[in-house]
Amino acid sequence: NAGVTQTPKFQVLKTGQSMTLQCAQDMNHEYMSWYRQDPGMGLRLIHYSVGAGITDQGEVPNGYNVSRSTTEDFPLRLLSAAPSQTSVYFCASSSRDRGTDTQYFGPGTRLTVL
Amino acid sequence: AQSVTQLDSHVSVSEGTPVLLRCNYSSSYSPSLFWYVQHPNKGLQLLLKYTSAATLVKGINGFEAEFKKSETSFHLTKPSAHMSDAAEYFCVVSDLDFGNEKLTFGTGTRLTIIP
Repeated sequence: NAGVTQTPKFQVLKTGQSMTLQCAQDMNHEYMSWYRQDPGMGLRLIHYSVGAGITDQGEVPNGYNVSRSTTEDFPLRLLSAAPSQTSVYFCASSSRDRGTDTQYFGPGTRLTVL
Repeated sequence: AQSVTQLDSHVSVSEGTPVLLRCNYSSSYSPSLFWYVQHPNKGLQLLLKYTSAATLVKGINGFEAEFKKSETSFHLTKPSAHMSDAAEYFCVVSDLDFGNEKLTFGTGTRLTIIP
């Protein structure tokens, strides 16, 4: 199993550009989520999904969209990038709904918005 | 509402000496508690978890943690530090928030091992 994969590993955007961060898992997990990690703030939940076709907002959803058309994939879209979105983004999956069992994390995407 | 406080942002220990990373939590429910480790430029990996069974939890790489409800603590320990333990460690609480289960991450403790 590859586990949770994320692409790209690094990305630099200009303010106002849009892009999609990709996340895929091959463990047949129903629950997937996106976090951002900023220095001194731990991980904060952006959006999550409890299954294909179902998504919901987390703690910091503004400026981000998600969709879940398949169990495997959970892309995160930045609609109009802002410098405040400079961060490291982690995708995670879990075998239980609501994500309170062990989370499996991807390697992260380091995003810089100029 | 739940919260997690990691009491030290940075801990340095010499190789071969004990490690103690402190975590306090607040919760209005019976929480599940986790410790995750993040090595540089990597994702987070589960070290151990407490889910209301034994209060002393053993994890990978010789780490363990003790759930103390009276002290609302879940400190992470290891008897003898190894160079490969250098990483960032996150304490995480899972709790009910208006009927929904929610994970809250601490702000992390960076562990440095001195040769």
